[in-house]
Amino acid sequence: EADIYQTPRYLVIGTGKKITLECSQTMGHDKMYWYQQDPGMELHLIHYSYGVNSTEKGDLSSESTVSRIRTEHFPLTLESARPSHTSQYLCASSESRGANTEAFFGQGTRLTVV
Amino acid sequence: RKEVEQDPGPFNVPEGATVAFNCTYSNSASQSFFWYRQDCRKEPKLLMSVYSSGNEDGRFTAQLNRASQYISLLIRDSKLSDSATYLCVVNTNAGKSTFGDGTTLTVKP
Repeated sequence: EADIYQTPRYLVIGTGKKITLECSQTMGHDKMYWYQQDPGMELHLIHYSYGVNSTEKGDLSSESTVSRIRTEHFPLTLESARPSHTSQYLCASSESRGANTEAFFGQGTRLTVV
Repeated sequence: RKEVEQDPGPFNVPEGATVAFNCTYSNSASQSFFWYRQDCRKEPKLLMSVYSSGNEDGRFTAQLNRASQYISLLIRDSKLSDSATYLCVVNTNAGKSTFGDGTTLTVKP
């Protein structure tokens, strides 16, 4: 089993609230990623990081922000949640050595904004 | 055009059937290739890496054609438990992963 954890697993929150989705990994991986996935739909990369103090926006525009102050921690924040943010958010990590590295995923956070 | 494109699916096959999925990629600098499996409402997990010489793991065979920029996954003697979405993943040399949209397989009794 991969040592990457997301909390909370499920979250129902009102419109306008600020929320932070947590992601931690204990594998020492430099690379971490956030994906957004609607039910039955494809994965969309929204943020990634290649190491501490490195963050980049992904392929899908997102109103969320991320930070990478510690190697093991990559939280995602929504300043003001809206119903359109309802989705599953998946965090992943991988080693730094070149391209031939497997990505390990957390179990995801299912967010519902009402 | 998407960087990674997969067969649109869904595939519905009977138990014991052989099924093949194809995936094409547009970045000729892509370095490594994978097939992931994602069960309903679960996270993706690595099924197998795809090597230039092709590789086999039990009933699963993966092949890579760099010249044509496509990879394939063949499942033989399909089982009910093979029902899932299969994701093609392509990594650049910098290690950035691009996922395909996935192909959903349903194996029926």
